[in-house]
Amino acid sequence: QKEVEQNSGPLSVPEGAIASLNCTYSDRGSQSFFWYRQYSGKSPELIMFIYSNGDKEDGRFTAQLNKASQYVSLLIRDSQPSDSATYLCAVKVDSSYKLIFGSGTRLLVRP
Amino acid sequence: DTGVSQDPRHKITKRGQNVTFRCDPISEHNRLYWYRQTLGQGPEFLTYFQNEAQLEKSRLLSDRFSAERPKGSFSTLEIQRTEQGDSAMYLCASSPRGGNQPQHFGDGTRLSIL
Repeated sequence: QKEVEQNSGPLSVPEGAIASLNCTYSDRGSQSFFWYRQYSGKSPELIMFIYSNGDKEDGRFTAQLNKASQYVSLLIRDSQPSDSATYLCAVKVDSSYKLIFGSGTRLLVRP
Repeated sequence: DTGVSQDPRHKITKRGQNVTFRCDPISEHNRLYWYRQTLGQGPEFLTYFQNEAQLEKSRLLSDRFSAERPKGSFSTLEIQRTEQGDSAMYLCASSPRGGNQPQHFGDGTRLSIL
């Protein structure tokens, strides 16, 4: 079992819809959770981070964390074609400063 | 703040050659990280510095790989006797002091081994 798992996609949604991206992790010692967006050929760009159970909203983005279920998600409201990218979930465990990444979910927003 | 800067952006070399990459973190970020990313995968951690001290190294970092951050500012990653499997994007990230500060990535150095 991989430490951080994501569905590779592609997840295809129409413009204006809500895109829901999911991530599960295996280490219960995980403390911090990050979502990065990566356009093809570019480096990862930080979108959101969340440390506590519940929801955290920033503009069109909402991160949701459920530590009991070891599950973190990213919701993108009013999806735009420019949101089309690979979304990487990353987890930091308490005993280390490194981030453990999933393989990413490719999102395609259809005009 | 200027972002994390990496040089070169692209490097093409023959198998067996040595290569060195440079990373300049965001100013006043005392933590610096190196990752490697191959096509279709998320970044994989290589090593971490806090100031000039290298505090964590991945098992991925074989004896051919060495990283330094001599004055706690910029860092270099050297790969000796490159192999085909070293072809990847090498990413540098930095973060400020504090327990769970997010890491910010540079544009990366894409290494191609001929």
